[in-house]
Amino acid sequence: GAGVSQSPSNKVTEKGKDVELRCDPISGHTALYWYRQRLGQGLEFLIYFQGNSAPDKSGLPSDRFSAERTGESVSTLTIQRTQQEDSAVYLCASSLDAGFQETQYFGPGTRLLVL
Amino acid sequence: EDKVVQSPLSLVVHEGDTVTLNCSYEVTNFRSLLWYKQEKKAPTFLFMLTSSGIEKKSGRLSSILDKKELFSILNITATQTGDSAIYLCAVNGNKLVFGAGTILRVKS
Repeated sequence: GAGVSQSPSNKVTEKGKDVELRCDPISGHTALYWYRQRLGQGLEFLIYFQGNSAPDKSGLPSDRFSAERTGESVSTLTIQRTQQEDSAVYLCASSLDAGFQETQYFGPGTRLLVL
Repeated sequence: EDKVVQSPLSLVVHEGDTVTLNCSYEVTNFRSLLWYKQEKKAPTFLFMLTSSGIEKKSGRLSSILDKKELFSILNITATQTGDSAIYLCAVNGNKLVFGAGTILRVKS
């Protein structure tokens, strides 16, 4: 079946603009994760959704970042008033459920460049 | 605070060499340790380790976990240029925490 998909694959925006990144998880996966990877750095956890539970937002770097998920499907990560330091690859991953957290399947990522 | 530290940060070797990548961790509620290979944007899964002392092997790659000393190593033998990538270690505790990665470059 289809893997995790993300859109857009690349996004260039001007400082101060808002951006929305989309993630379509694997069908049936109840857990969804967003990560950020800045150039030359490791993956940084942002937010985690599990079913209908309240999301774990502990990794969001500021209140300019927010994410939503509709049921157990699509998720959008929104960055308001983008800053140059937001430039990074944003990766989404999904897994069958929290008990199978280990087997995370990653999407291809969205490369965001803030000018 | 949960922490995963990888070393070295980067490594350049010649084809045919053997490399050992290190991952040490401090996490609460340890459940598993995972190795990923990242070539372009998305990491691909290599190994999951949950028990100490049991080596996992896949072709030229192998990995082992030491839960007493809180580290894991990833070995790659007879390296090839296609092994050039970032190798990420992640530890699953209360959440999945990634290390910064080791950048491996294999020269022909």
